[in-house]
Amino acid sequence: NAGVTQTPKFRILKIGQSMTLQCAQDMNHNYMYWYRQDPGMGLKLIYYSVGAGITDKGEVPNGYNVSRSTTEDFPLRLELAAPSQTSVYFCASGQGYNEQFFGPGTRLTVL
Amino acid sequence: AQSVTQPDIHITVSEGASLELRCNYSYGATPYLFWYVQSPGQGLQLLLKYFSGDTLVQGIKGFEAEFKRSQSSFNLRKPSVHWSDAAEYFCAVGADSGYSTLTFGKGTMLLVSP
Repeated sequence: NAGVTQTPKFRILKIGQSMTLQCAQDMNHNYMYWYRQDPGMGLKLIYYSVGAGITDKGEVPNGYNVSRSTTEDFPLRLELAAPSQTSVYFCASGQGYNEQFFGPGTRLTVL
Repeated sequence: AQSVTQPDIHITVSEGASLELRCNYSYGATPYLFWYVQSPGQGLQLLLKYFSGDTLVQGIKGFEAEFKRSQSSFNLRKPSVHWSDAAEYFCAVGADSGYSTLTFGKGTMLLVSP
């Protein structure tokens, strides 16, 4: 099993550009999550999904969108990139009882 | 809403010495508690978890943690630290909300001196 995979690993965007961060898991987990990590701030939940076709906002959803068309994939969309979205983004998946398995992360810089 | 406090931003420990990382949580019911470790440039790896039962839980890499309800704490311990343990450690609490979401502390950076 590859576990949770994320692409790309690094990306630099200009202000106003858009991009999609990809996340896939091969563990057949129902739950998937997107977090952002900023220095000294821990991880903040952006969006989560409890199954294909079901998504909901987390703590910091503004400026992001998600979709979940399959169990395996949970892409995160940035429509109009802003410097405040410079961060490291982690995708995670789980199957209940709050236990989550994390991907390696995407480091995004918006200039 | 639940919350997690990790009082120590940085801790420096000599190699071979014992380690205790503090974690306090706020949650009305019995929480699900986790410790994750993050090496530089890596994702988060689960060290151990507490759901119920024995309040002393064992994890990977020789780590253990003790759940103390009266103190709302879930401190992480290791009897002898190795240089490879240098990393950032996150405590997290899960709510019994049905959505399996986690609330993370801000992390403690562990530095290991020779």
